[in-house]
Formats: sequence, C-alpha cells, structure tokens
Amino acid sequence: GAVVSQHPSWVICKSGTSVKIECRSLDFQATTMFWYRQFPKQSLMLMATSNEGSKATYEQGVEKDKFLINHASLTLSTLTVTSAHPEDSSFYICSASSLLDNSYEQYFGPGTRLTVT
Amino acid sequence: EDQVTQSPEALRLQEGESSSLNCSYTVSGLRGLFWYRQDPGKGPEFLFTLYSAGEEKEKERLKATLTKKESFLHITAPKPEDSATYLCAVQAWGQGGSEKLVFGKGTKLTVNP
Repeated sequence: GAVVSQHPSWVICKSGTSVKIECRSLDFQATTMFWYRQFPKQSLMLMATSNEGSKATYEQGVEKDKFLINHASLTLSTLTVTSAHPEDSSFYICSASSLLDNSYEQYFGPGTRLTVT
Repeated sequence: EDQVTQSPEALRLQEGESSSLNCSYTVSGLRGLFWYRQDPGKGPEFLFTLYSAGEEKEKERLKATLTKKESFLHITAPKPEDSATYLCAVQAWGQGGSEKLVFGKGTKLTVNP
C-alpha cells in the first residue's frame, strides 16, 4: 500500500516553455501533498505544501508564480513550471500523506527529471 | 530553525562489516524522525519513523535508535544491495495536520562484495 506515482518520469523542454508534472496517490487519499526539488548530490528541499482544495503554501524563496501547484482532488496534485529556464533543471519529487492513519508519514513518488535546454 | 546534520557524508564498507550512520538534529518540538533510503534517480523509500527518545526499530539488517539530540542507523553485516544514500528527516509539531520534513544531506553508503 501507500503508492505514489509521478508522470512523466523525465522530460526535456526548451527554455521559455512550461512543463506540467503530475503526482498521484494510487491506493490512498492524500490530504496533503508536498513538492520537493533535489539538485545533484544535494538533499531534498521542500518547495511547497498543498492541501486538497486549498492554495499551496510555498517555502521562502520559491516563486509561486513560476511554480504553479494545483491539488484539485485527494489523489492528484500537479506542479507546473512556467517559463522554464536551464537553472530550473532538477529532480522534482512529490510526496503524499494522509491524516487518516495518524502517522504523518510521507510516501514519496519516484521523481521527475526535468532538463531545460 | 530546524536543522539536520548527517555524518559521515560517505561510507565505504566491506560486505559483512557492520557500522552506524549518525543523524544529529535540532528541532522545536519533535513530532517524528524519519529514515529513508534513496537509490540513484529514484524517490526516497520509507524505512522507519521514531517518535520519542529511547525508541528503537528494526528491519532486516537495519536498526534505528533515537535520543533527544541524535539518531543512529545501525547496519549489521551489510550486503552490496544495501548500497544507497540514507536520508534522515525531522518533522516538528505545528499547527494543522501533516507537517513538512526537514532533510539532512544524507550518507552515501557503498558496500563492496
């Protein structure tokens, strides 16, 4: 149980274009989803937290107009990188948690490798 | 500000050579400390959650322990397939429900056959 998927697993886009990444909880309802970014040989840095039906809460230094997050249902959240630039190239990972099991554990997706050329 | 420091950054072991990874933390009210395993190009895989000092959890060759300032991940008789980066993260009490995780930089473990 507690499986989280991401799509696509990798994407290459041109500078100035937008890219959408999907995160789905496959076998549980995720009350909260988190988006992380990981640069090579670095740890995971939280970008934003989203609760179903609410606006996302962004971490300091993360541009909310550039990284659009939508959490329209209890099983799906999307991250859209708008007007992508090479410095946005990174490994984007989502996680999901559910208050229903009272564990506060986060289950991670497999990640999406974004390369902006 | 909540902080997590993991040591060593990298560790090379021979198969069967037991060792421990360290995670030191400062947090304003610990809700939980988490250990994850991450393979290259993959998302973190959940290993353990520890909630209070003195707690211990085991899974196969891994054992996690927790004190008020640090956690250890003990690896007994490791095998090459245990090679991965091990991440430690803390979660603090706060308003609302699920709270964010603050991660350390990880320890890259390599187990040679």
